[in-house]
Amino acid sequence: DAKTTQPTSMDCAEGRAANLPCNHSTISGNEYVYWYRQIHSQGPQYIIHGLKNNETNEMASLIITEDRKSSTLILPHATLRDTAVYYCIVRVNYGGSQGNLIFGKGTKLSVKP
Amino acid sequence: GAVVSQHPSRVICKSGTSVKIECRSLDFQATTMFWYRQFPKKSLMLMATSNEGSKATYEQGVEKDKFLINHASLTLSTLTVTSAHPEDSSFYICSARDPGLNNEQFFGPGTRLTVL
Repeated sequence: DAKTTQPTSMDCAEGRAANLPCNHSTISGNEYVYWYRQIHSQGPQYIIHGLKNNETNEMASLIITEDRKSSTLILPHATLRDTAVYYCIVRVNYGGSQGNLIFGKGTKLSVKP
Repeated sequence: GAVVSQHPSRVICKSGTSVKIECRSLDFQATTMFWYRQFPKKSLMLMATSNEGSKATYEQGVEKDKFLINHASLTLSTLTVTSAHPEDSSFYICSARDPGLNNEQFFGPGTRLTVL
C-alpha cells in the first residue's frame, strides 16, 4: 500500500473549518484514500473514504486532487470534541479484496475555544 | 456504522500470567478481524489478521506463540497474551470487517493492559 505524509499537528479555532492535508504521491489506481480519527484512549473511528471523486457525509468532506496525489479532509465546523489524531491511509479496495489498514503517525488536531 | 466491542476495557495482571481479550462484532458477522497494538504516543501497529475457522496471519516480528489468536465464530475473536511481561503493557485494539457494509473496517474501543 502507498505511503502517506501528513503534518504532525494542527490547531483550529472552534466553529471554524478544519482542513487536514495528506500527500499520497505514490498512490496506485486501485487504492482508495481513507480517513480515520482516534480520540485519546479510544479505538479509531471511520470518517470517510474516496477513490477520485470528492465525497461528503455527515462528518466531513474529502477533496481529492485530480491527479490523486493528495487529498484534504474538511471538518466544516470544528468542535472541541473533534480534537483527535487524524489518520490518512491509502488502501487497495477492488472486487472482494481489501488491503490492510496500515496507520502512519497521523495529524494531531487541536480544536481550541 | 457497525459496532465492535472489546472486553475487558482495562486489565492489570502480574508478570508471568496469561490474559485473554475478547473482540465481538455486535450487529454483524465478521469473517475477518484484526488485532492492533498501540504504545503511548505511538501509532497503531497491526499484529495479526484473524480469519474465522483458520489460523491467524501474523505480521513480521510478532510472536505467534506469545499472542494466541482464536477466531472461533463469526462474531468473536480472542487474543491471549501468554506469560505476560511488563513490556507487553500496551493498548490492544481489535477491528472487524463488515461484509454488509462493503467490507469496511470498524474498530473496538481498545483494551488497556498493564503488566506489573
